[in-house]
Amino acid sequence: AQKVTQAQTEISVVEKEDVTLDCVYETRDTTYYLFWYKQPPSGELVFLIRRNSFDEQNEISGRYSWNFQKSTSSFNFTITASQVVDSAVYFCALSEARSGGYQKVTFGTGTKLQVIP
Amino acid sequence: EPEVTQTPSHQVTQMGQEVILRCVPISNHLYFYWYRQILGQKVEFLVSFYNNEISEKSEIFDDQFSVERPDGSNFTLKIRSTKLEDSAMYFCASNLDRANEQFFGPGTRLTVL
Repeated sequence: AQKVTQAQTEISVVEKEDVTLDCVYETRDTTYYLFWYKQPPSGELVFLIRRNSFDEQNEISGRYSWNFQKSTSSFNFTITASQVVDSAVYFCALSEARSGGYQKVTFGTGTKLQVIP
Repeated sequence: EPEVTQTPSHQVTQMGQEVILRCVPISNHLYFYWYRQILGQKVEFLVSFYNNEISEKSEIFDDQFSVERPDGSNFTLKIRSTKLEDSAMYFCASNLDRANEQFFGPGTRLTVL
């Protein structure tokens, strides 16, 4: 069964500090997708990134970067020079394709990030 | 850019009442899903739907729940007799095929009193 673990429940940082959110996953599939979503207090899920299991290249998007390591089954997310607007709950998620063609997304328990001005 | 929409954004109902949550998936998508998030907890898979059939459902998705695609655009989740513990955010999602990601709607917050 697939599983996503976000061991950090809550993190507080002071504005402009860098912060890394950890994500460890378990799956028996060789083909899968990993995601990060941001959930602000308003409640919607904001898509941040998707990686497939064959692409281990790290990615940078502005202040955001992601480190995907299959060897350790980890997909960590770093925010550089954090800002107050980054305060939210961040979910790591794993999607596996099923034989019927559909996907099933399993979410981690989320990490609540508070950026203090 | 196409997006998944959900209505209403917030629904308040009395325990025991039936509710229908509505979703309009992205128009060319073939697979549809509902997820639930109880306040302060993680997002949980409820059900997947394809070709007018349920592909998979979780333990949460008991006989009180049903899904339907009544026409070519809407995808609905019905809770027949709501309980207090059904209070949650419900997210609809859709995707084109197994190789493509799911797109999530903004959610409907259901409050059962």
